[in-house]
Amino acid sequence: DIQMTQSPSSLSASVGDRVTITCRASQGISTYLNWYQQKPGKAPKVLVYAASSLQSGVPSRFSGSGSGTDFTLTISALQPEDFATYYCQQSYTMPFTFGGGTKVEIK
Amino acid sequence: QVQLQESGPEVVQPSETLSLTCTVSGGSIKNYYWSWIRQPPGKGLEWIAYIYYTGDTNYSPSLKSRLAISVDTSKNQFSLKLTSVTAADTAVYYCAGMKVGAPRYFDLWGRGTLVTVSS
Repeated sequence: DIQMTQSPSSLSASVGDRVTITCRASQGISTYLNWYQQKPGKAPKVLVYAASSLQSGVPSRFSGSGSGTDFTLTISALQPEDFATYYCQQSYTMPFTFGGGTKVEIK
Repeated sequence: QVQLQESGPEVVQPSETLSLTCTVSGGSIKNYYWSWIRQPPGKGLEWIAYIYYTGDTNYSPSLKSRLAISVDTSKNQFSLKLTSVTAADTAVYYCAGMKVGAPRYFDLWGRGTLVTVSS
């Protein structure tokens, strides 16, 4: 199985802050990397797919980058509605695997 | 638009079989690759199984011996069975879909159903 390691596991930030979350794969996965946002009691929602493609309807303050084993999700200016948990997920090969999640909390 | 709805018992007895069904509405079940994903309370996401309408399947290695996934194209449904459950199988179970012919990501999700393993 490909292991996905996210860091940090949690962070505190203020509205307007730039936030970066990293995800590392245990082996190369090209750009088969997706990012999801999950709010309490809700299903995850895709933000970025194929490492850097923004899903339709997702604000442009979200961006993704990386290839191979190292990836980042950046929120350029945190908004109140962005406080949530973020997961990376590799779709290079099954079993598909998720990172452990990054909880973004209000500072 | 395509929507997913999970259904099944909310409580399952230890050692029994957990059975869930996902109903696809608003579109054809043939247009997506389907998965089950679960999330224990307060924890992260775990992919557990995949099926295509052709019957092609793939399972999480850690659960493979206890899992079975099936599809019923006439009802636009796919189902999951997990045998010999324990408290560790308590989780919100989501059905999810990846569109055929598109980059591989889960763009369809059900609302999730909490299944509690308890006597």
